Amino acid sequence: QSALTQPASVSGSPGQSITISCTGTSSDVGAYNHVSWFQQHPGKAPKLMIFDVSNRPSGVSDRFSGSKSGNTASLTISGLQAEDEADYYCNSYTTSSTRVFGGGTKLTVL
Amino acid sequence: EVQLVESGGGLVKPGESLRLSCAASGFTFNDAWMSWVRQAPGKGLDWVGRIRSKTDGGTTDYAAPVKGRFTISRDDSKNTLYLQMNSLKTEDTAVYYCATDGGSNWGQGTLVTVSS
Repeated sequence: QSALTQPASVSGSPGQSITISCTGTSSDVGAYNHVSWFQQHPGKAPKLMIFDVSNRPSGVSDRFSGSKSGNTASLTISGLQAEDEADYYCNSYTTSSTRVFGGGTKLTVL
Repeated sequence: EVQLVESGGGLVKPGESLRLSCAASGFTFNDAWMSWVRQAPGKGLDWVGRIRSKTDGGTTDYAAPVKGRFTISRDDSKNTLYLQMNSLKTEDTAVYYCATDGGSNWGQGTLVTVSS
């Protein structure tokens, strides 16, 4: 199972919106609505931000939203804040009953 | 409060074995599907495998690079998840996290270094 494809880096200014894409195949992203997004700050464990494509866990800001079209999922962060600067990873369930992560995207808040 | 605490990491030589443990508290462990995820130094997250709850069969799934070498098990009486790692390779060097299968809760990770 190959890793899902994410851009290596994205950046934006405070208050702006950014979108991170996550491209897979019909065997993972395109097969199920089981795409999740994780935020990871340096030296910390990952934190779940979005599950099942577009659902936010309790306590996650509504500035974070998710969507999916075909084999590509997206994470949008609106109203960028300094604390959003982190690495972001997508994750999908696969038709082999495994999970696969994306390569990760480093978000820089300018 | 949900807590996952990994232990058992350390330095081992290629070809050797190591068993990691993950002590769980604050939720109904025996109902939970649990996963292991690893992260090599400076690299991204890498899904290792999962074990279902006993009521859902207690079966396991593994990522291709570890299949046949790693075994995930659980002891619901001790609220503990295990990862038995055999025939370790240098490329298995990573921080190993246990997590609930959906990723809602993670431990702090334990470092495994495989080096001669």
